[in-house]
Amino acid sequence: NAGVMQNPRHLVRRRGQEARLRCSPMKGHSHVYWYRQLPEEGLKFMVYLQKENIIDESGMPKERFSAEFPKEGPSILRIQQVVRGDSAAYFCASSLSGLNTGELFFGEGSRLTVL
Amino acid sequence: QKEVEQDPGPLSVPEGAIVSLNCTYSNSAFQYFMWYRQYSRKGPELLMYTYSSGNKEDGRFTAQVDKSSKYISLFIRDSQPSDSATYLCAMKESQGGSEKLVFGKGTKLTVNP
Repeated sequence: NAGVMQNPRHLVRRRGQEARLRCSPMKGHSHVYWYRQLPEEGLKFMVYLQKENIIDESGMPKERFSAEFPKEGPSILRIQQVVRGDSAAYFCASSLSGLNTGELFFGEGSRLTVL
Repeated sequence: QKEVEQDPGPLSVPEGAIVSLNCTYSNSAFQYFMWYRQYSRKGPELLMYTYSSGNKEDGRFTAQVDKSSKYISLFIRDSQPSDSATYLCAMKESQGGSEKLVFGKGTKLTVNP
């Protein structure tokens, strides 16, 4: 049973370009979370999605960031017009049915570097 | 005040030592309490979770929760070099129809052979 798959693992963008990060949850999981981790910082919640619905985007910056989890295909975190401050590791996590047992299964992350 | 404070870091201990990792929190609404372990350049993995105040043991690991003091701990007995990782405490927050985990900053642990 494959775990949470994220790609690309590493992404380099110049300021002003777009970054697209993809996440395929574990098989059967319909809940997806995106977190951002900056150096020396913990994981910061960004967005919580279920299939075709954004449940909670309270951690997403209001501009340039968007996320989707379509009926078919992976969840996408999109960052438009990237700036140096967007450089971070972005982790996707999935769960079967919410957080009743607290278990989120994390991917290995996508590391974005903005030059 | 941050919702979850994690202390101390970084930590370096000799093999076989008992390790104590701690977090405090301010939100009384937090329910489940978890510890995640994150190896370098990897994603976090769940180590232990607990709901109520008290102790929970799993092998060399013991998670302790004191809701009255808003304080949680993770103890590692007979620590091994393979325990070297960053340990993140996390708490479940339920609000407005949403649930999410709120994480501490993490404590980087090195166990020296």
